[in-house]
Amino acid sequence: GNSVTQMEGPVTLSEEAFLTINCTYTATGYPSLFWYVQYPGEGLQLLLKATKADDKGSNKGFEATYRKETTSFHLEKGSVQVSDSAVYFCALSDLSTGGGNKLTFGTGTQLKVEL
Amino acid sequence: SAVISQKPSRDICQRGTSLTIQCQVDSQVTMMFWYRQQPGQSLTLIATANQGSEATYESGFVIDKFPISRPNLTFSTLTVSNMSPEDSSIYLCSAQGPNTEAFFGQGTRLTVV
Repeated sequence: GNSVTQMEGPVTLSEEAFLTINCTYTATGYPSLFWYVQYPGEGLQLLLKATKADDKGSNKGFEATYRKETTSFHLEKGSVQVSDSAVYFCALSDLSTGGGNKLTFGTGTQLKVEL
Repeated sequence: SAVISQKPSRDICQRGTSLTIQCQVDSQVTMMFWYRQQPGQSLTLIATANQGSEATYESGFVIDKFPISRPNLTFSTLTVSNMSPEDSSIYLCSAQGPNTEAFFGQGTRLTVV
């Protein structure tokens, strides 16, 4: 079956620090990969996505590259801000195995950015 | 992008009672889903809400405990039946159009006492 493994949090960084949140996946087919973000008190929002190997998703200064050889989709940002404090979820969907549009989520990584 | 309105946003319920959560999308979508997010854990898919027919449940979830309705393309309900403290979670509605990614409601934070 499909699964997503994320680095555990919480992650605490100073403002302007470099961020990496690791994500690896297991899938039987050819999944699409996503990062969702959940700000305090809000629902999940799609942050970025990649649908095939070597694709790079990017949004709001965040980037992640779909690495098929290492089955990874690590999230990076060069300079975090306090407003980036949130919980970040890595997820996949795998249409090729009949899973439809169902999402499989990682456990989430809480990021706290301090001044 | 489309917006999901989910009600109630939170509730505190007595054990043994039932709560129905409503999910309204402001545009027609092809698929609607219900997820559970238990404290400190990730999201787990409960079921896919099918329009006009019975929902498709994931392993570990059954219709008697989580009856779901989807009478049209923009509305769905999830009922948490005969609640116990173990049902305390955030319940999230998700929807997806034919050419869009999945988007989520703000969730319903349920506490069972």
